[in-house]
Amino acid sequence: SQQGEEDPQALSIQEGENATMNCSYKTSINNLQWYRQNSGRGLVHLILIRSNEREKHSGRLRVTLDTSKKSSSLLITASRAADTASYFCATATGTYKYIFGTGTRLKVLA
Amino acid sequence: EPEVTQTPSHQVTQMGQEVILRCVPISNHLYFYWYRQILGQKVEFLVSFYNNEISEKSEIFDDQFSVERPDGSNFTLKIRSTKLEDSAMYFCASSDRGVGNEQFFGPGTRLTVL
Repeated sequence: SQQGEEDPQALSIQEGENATMNCSYKTSINNLQWYRQNSGRGLVHLILIRSNEREKHSGRLRVTLDTSKKSSSLLITASRAADTASYFCATATGTYKYIFGTGTRLKVLA
Repeated sequence: EPEVTQTPSHQVTQMGQEVILRCVPISNHLYFYWYRQILGQKVEFLVSFYNNEISEKSEIFDDQFSVERPDGSNFTLKIRSTKLEDSAMYFCASSDRGVGNEQFFGPGTRLTVL
């Protein structure tokens, strides 16, 4: 797998359901961030989780990090139609650059 | 809340022309970055810049690309002779610390090369 590979690639759920997206990476990281991108638009930062943290919450978002499995998950609870977007993880690996994953396209049906 | 801004939001140019994409990073940040995203693909790192010099660049960032901080507020990406494959969304980012710290992204400039 590549550094920063999300699954599923696409997810379609009903409004009110929870959405879970996963990110796997290959090398050790300093931190991992999740971003949202609406179609053709910019990146909106959601949550940063550091390598020594296991879980973080922000509103309806919950991010977990398992460094032993080199994976992270993003949970959106009680999803809304406005959550429809692509979600990316990005890892900081000890250099200046962030490496972005391929993204999960989430569609929330009203 | 301070944010990174980018201008223009959309730039259309002819192949072979030079373009300059502009960014105003967050004012107390010292590290600056450019990324690009070809439509439908993932965001790719281009270059990082600190203390008036490039600190890291990717293989994409060839001699056609250059970056500059011409004054205390702007950070620019120049593409000397654009190609069709340069069409992409270009994102600027900044951070107050370097390696491994949170980067704040701008809204992007969509570059279309005809």
